[in-house]
Amino acid sequence: GEDVEQSLFLSVREGDSSVINCTYTDSSSTYLYWYKQEPGAGLQLLTYIFSNMDMKQDQRLTVLLNKKDKHLSLRIADTQTGDSAIYFCAERFSGGYNKLIFGAGTRLAVHP
Amino acid sequence: NAGVTQTPKFRVLKTGQSMTLLCAQDMNHEYMYWYRQDPGMGLRLIHYSVGEGTTAKGEVPDGYNVSRLKKQNFLLGLESAAPSQTSVYFCASSNERGRSYNEQFFGPGTRLTVL
Repeated sequence: GEDVEQSLFLSVREGDSSVINCTYTDSSSTYLYWYKQEPGAGLQLLTYIFSNMDMKQDQRLTVLLNKKDKHLSLRIADTQTGDSAIYFCAERFSGGYNKLIFGAGTRLAVHP
Repeated sequence: NAGVTQTPKFRVLKTGQSMTLLCAQDMNHEYMYWYRQDPGMGLRLIHYSVGEGTTAKGEVPDGYNVSRLKKQNFLLGLESAAPSQTSVYFCASSNERGRSYNEQFFGPGTRLTVL
């Protein structure tokens, strides 16, 4: 079936790197996404990766995609208190109406 | 641009009452979506629309109805609210461009409590 799984909680010290992991099920997914949700707000697209890529880097963010294991990760370098939020992994199925399947979200807590 | 807006932001209903949630977008997007977010679960798609005058069921459509009479608006209705519909509801829109990464833009959410 369609499923995206993530660990629910991650705590890191300010200045350290954070790594949030996700596994997905559909090997034909075209795009995979990371969305960020700050308290009381809607989701905002943080970054995405096309399925034919292994890695994507965008400033402090690094996305790694292992298609064989259907594993996606988001690394945040030099994590700041402003990075505290819930991070959702999502996969897009090929064709159709831009159907996204979301994971349950990982709550990232950054402490001094 | 305001992006995606939702009204109301909060609402408390009694079981059996009805209400309509309004979503509006000013980006001229073709696609619009209604999701619900429950603790420990990802967003689940309730209904969606691929254009004005069209609607379709998502993963969890039971107990909800939708209408898309104007391109910029997508309404979500609860005819007879139940406590199981207590949730945070998010509207989103996107502009389908075939093979592009096609970002969905989300509203701020409506927190609904059904007593």
